[in-house]
Amino acid sequence: KAGVTQTPRYLIKTRGQQVTLSCSPISGHRSVSWYQQTPGQGLQFLFEYFSETQRNKGNFPGRFSGRQFSNSRSEMNVSTLELGDSALYLCASSLEQNTEAFFGQGTRLTVV
Amino acid sequence: SQQGEEDPQALSIQEGENATMNCSYKTSINNLQWYRQNSGRGLVHLILIRSNEREKHSGRLRVTLDTSKKSSSLLITASRAADTASYFCATDAGSNYQLIWGAGTKLIIKP
Repeated sequence: KAGVTQTPRYLIKTRGQQVTLSCSPISGHRSVSWYQQTPGQGLQFLFEYFSETQRNKGNFPGRFSGRQFSNSRSEMNVSTLELGDSALYLCASSLEQNTEAFFGQGTRLTVV
Repeated sequence: SQQGEEDPQALSIQEGENATMNCSYKTSINNLQWYRQNSGRGLVHLILIRSNEREKHSGRLRVTLDTSKKSSSLLITASRAADTASYFCATDAGSNYQLIWGAGTKLIIKP
């Protein structure tokens, strides 16, 4: 069974640009969550989608958005990039809440 | 927000020794999960323990959960160099579709 796939693995963008990250969950998993990981802040929850519906959103500005498609693949978008958005962005899929989450390798975003 | 607090923040031991990491949390939970992360890569799920369980084993890993103290411990026995990683606990409170993470314990196994 293929794992969670995140693309791209690495990304360099300049301030003010926007970026779209992609996540393909494990087949059959309908829940996809996104996290931002930075050395100072640890893992911070961005949002969770289930069957194309956003069920929860973390405490991030509106520049961070996401969506989920009918095949459960998910994208997250960050607009008007800031230096502080540099981080490892992790996607996780699971069958449902209260079950284990499987993570992708992450997308390392550097904003210059 | 972070619910879990791992202790210690960093741990360095000799290969072959046992490593124990602790996690405390603040609210009632449905389950608690432990994950491992190797140097800036994705997280790997280790064990999920439900709130009605007290102990769980997986290979060289042993996890305990004390809901009265809101704490959990992860024991790695007979450590190996490949166990060098950061270890995170995450709690699922069941009400808001997210895992709440601790800051992690950085484990270094010296050969």
